[in-house]
Amino acid sequence: ETGVTQSPTHLIKTRGQQVTLRCSSQSGHNTVSWYQQALGQGPQFIFQYYREEENGRGNFPPRFSGLQFPNYSSELNVNALELDDSALYLCASSFGGSSYNEQFFGPGTRLTVL
Amino acid sequence: QQQVKQSPQSLIVQKGGIPIINCAYENTAFDYFPWYQQFPGKGPALLIAIRPDVSEKKEGRFTISFNKSAKQFSLHIMDSQPGDSATYFCAASKSAGNMLTFGGGTRLMVKP
Repeated sequence: ETGVTQSPTHLIKTRGQQVTLRCSSQSGHNTVSWYQQALGQGPQFIFQYYREEENGRGNFPPRFSGLQFPNYSSELNVNALELDDSALYLCASSFGGSSYNEQFFGPGTRLTVL
Repeated sequence: QQQVKQSPQSLIVQKGGIPIINCAYENTAFDYFPWYQQFPGKGPALLIAIRPDVSEKKEGRFTISFNKSAKQFSLHIMDSQPGDSATYFCAASKSAGNMLTFGGGTRLMVKP
């Protein structure tokens, strides 16, 4: 069974640029959630995708957008990067359709905005 | 708006001690309460989770105690080891697959 993978591991961008982060869900999972974890804080929910549709969104502006593909992998896109976007971006996969299926996290992508 | 409050922020115990981390939540619609362990540079790893129909759950050296009326739950680590040194997060959600609301984290250090 393959776990959740994310790419790239690290990324450095400058303010105003755009970035795309990628996530491959765990085998058998069809739901991907994205979280932002600022240094020294708990993860904050950005949004969730279930069967290629957005299935919930946290308190993040529209410049944070996402996609889920037919193979259930996912992308997180952030436009007009701001300094405060510097964080560890985590994706978590789960199997939708049951309330008893836990979320399993990938290793994250460390984004630094200069 | 912080819906899950976690304490303490940091904790130091000797090897073999029993660190206890506490969390309190506000939203009574929450019905799933997991604990995650995170090492530096890694993603959170699910340790143990509980639902409000039980007051305690034990898995290996990790135990969750749950008090529904007080809207509080806690993690106990029995016979703690230096390898347990990590940051621990409690979380809550309306079901296992839904949006998780995390506490602020507790940095645990277990001294040899």
